[in-house]
Order: sequence, then C-alpha cells, then structure tokens
Amino acid sequence: NAGVTQTPKFRVLKTGQSMTLLCAQDMNHEYMYWYRQDPGMGLRLIHYSVGEGTTAKGEVPDGYNVSRLKKQNFLLGLESAAPSQTSVYFCASRLESYTGELFFGEGSRLTVL
Amino acid sequence: SQQGEEDPQALSIQEGENATMNCSYKTSINNLQWYRQNSGRGLVHLILIRSNEREKHSGRLRVTLDTSKKSSSLLITASRAADTASYFCATDAPGGGADGLTFGKGTHLIIQP
Repeated sequence: NAGVTQTPKFRVLKTGQSMTLLCAQDMNHEYMYWYRQDPGMGLRLIHYSVGEGTTAKGEVPDGYNVSRLKKQNFLLGLESAAPSQTSVYFCASRLESYTGELFFGEGSRLTVL
Repeated sequence: SQQGEEDPQALSIQEGENATMNCSYKTSINNLQWYRQNSGRGLVHLILIRSNEREKHSGRLRVTLDTSKKSSSLLITASRAADTASYFCATDAPGGGADGLTFGKGTHLIIQP
C-alpha cells in the first residue's frame, strides 16, 4: 500500500517553463489537496478537489492549474514558472472532509531559476 | 492566512525531558490536529482532538484543547532523539472542511542526546 505518491521529487526549471506535478493515491480517498511549504510560512493551500472531475481554489492559487480526471490522481500544473514558485509542494488526501486526517506525500522540491 | 500559530518557534531539550508546544487559532473549529514532519519528509498525522473534547492521549502524546481560549497544547513525554522534528497544528473549519486543513508555521523541536 503506497499511500500518496508524488512525482517528480526534485525539479529545476527556468523562468517561463512549464511542468506538471503528479500526485497519486491508492486509498480511494475523495478529497485531495496541493499545498506549498516555504520557510517560515508553514503550509498554504493551493488548490483542492472534493472528487473526480472537481477542483477548487485554495489560499494561493495564482500561477497554478489543477486537474482531477481520475479519482486517484491530482495534477498540479505550472504554465509559466516564476522564481516565486520555488518551493516544496505537498500533495495530501483524506477520506472524510470534516473528521479525517490528511495523508501526505513525501513532497516535490521545485526550484525556478 | 494562517489560522494556527505555534509557540515556541523552536525548542531544544535534553533527551528524557518533556516537550510542550502550544497552538493558538483565530476562529471556531470543528477539530484540531497535530502533525509531525521529519526533515525532508512529508507530514505525518499524530493526533486529532474534536472541539467537544478537552484532552486526548496517544502513547507518549498528550493533547489539550481549550476552545474558550482558542488554544491547544501538545505534550511529548520522555522525549527521544527520534522525536526531533517540526510539529504543526492544523484546524478544520466548522461545518466541514472540504477545503482542507489550515496549518500553523510549526515548532521545530530538537532533542539533544
């Protein structure tokens, strides 16, 4: 049982390049989330999904897009990367919205030059 | 915006001592959770306390919740070197929380051998 798997784990981009981070969970969870973690800032919610085919904006959605075409996958895209998007990105999922613990992936460290 | 704020930001103690971390939050909550993050890893759920509970135990962990003061504390007893990590509190909004948890900035705990 892999839990939540993120790929890639590390990536270096140049300003203006695009990329997609993939999150896959094998726990049949409905709810999936993308957070970013920056030094001294804690975790901030980028986008989330409450089920297959749904997405919604979180606290810091600008510059990112997401898709949830399959229940087990949640993709985070950067269309035109900026240095301000240098961060560690975490995907998380949970079964229930109001009582459930979050299960996190190991993170994807992105550097934008 | 940050809902929870942990205090202290950093804590260094000797192995075997107890470690106490505090969390304050701003708005009403449905439940409060604590997570641990080892360096370079994802967050791992430790314990959840509901808004109608005042205290909860799990192994060497003791969590208290005071909704009148909008605060919680995490006590780790008989600390071990392996407890060295960052600890985050996170809250769910009342009525659900499909939009995930709101995290504090964390307390970095160092256990000196």
